[in-house]
Amino acid sequence: AQKITQTQPGMFVQEKEAVTLDCTYDTSDPSYGLFWYKQPSSGEMIFLIYQGSYDQQNATEGRYSLNFQKARKSANLVISASQLGDSAMYFCAMREGDTGRRALTFGSGTRLQVQP
Amino acid sequence: NAGVMQNPRHLVRRRGQEARLRCSPMKGHSHVYWYRQLPEEGLKFMVYLQKENIIDESGMPKERFSAEFPKEGPSILRIQQVVRGDSAAYFCASSPATGADTEAFFGQGTRLTVV
Repeated sequence: AQKITQTQPGMFVQEKEAVTLDCTYDTSDPSYGLFWYKQPSSGEMIFLIYQGSYDQQNATEGRYSLNFQKARKSANLVISASQLGDSAMYFCAMREGDTGRRALTFGSGTRLQVQP
Repeated sequence: NAGVMQNPRHLVRRRGQEARLRCSPMKGHSHVYWYRQLPEEGLKFMVYLQKENIIDESGMPKERFSAEFPKEGPSILRIQQVVRGDSAAYFCASSPATGADTEAFFGQGTRLTVV
């Protein structure tokens, strides 16, 4: 079974609009962390935001926020006020804590294109 | 504090040659992870190492691939007798610990092209 599922291969958004990138995950470990990374065309992996399984509040970092719905096992990334520089691939990833593998497991990614 | 350093950034090898990819983790980080990214795909875990030890190599092909993280010096991912299917971006990440909330810091990647 897929550990991390990103069902949107590509998304378009108008500049200055908000966009939601979907991510669902599967784990039986009670302790886990969820991460979002941005990969622009230059190829590097840029950390955006983190959500812990025990965190009560949704994570926010500037224009990025994470809509964490634990019961539904979803961790969607919301980008507000999109900018042209937000055009990139976005990857959701999970790290399982106490009993699982320590490496990050990545989804297949969503390519976001911001249109002027 | 320099980030994770990978070199070379780009590597071209002929089929049958060896490829050596280097990764220097961030200062103070003793956990290193290697990932492979095929074009238009996500990153796939290959191997997790701590200093002088391979902790998890479940994602690494059984043949031709090996990894090490010596007491001194960078971590090395070695691919022997490369084939065209090895062409990919190889990313290294490091972290100071292994808890679920520990961020992994990525290098710029090495893009291997096998011709």
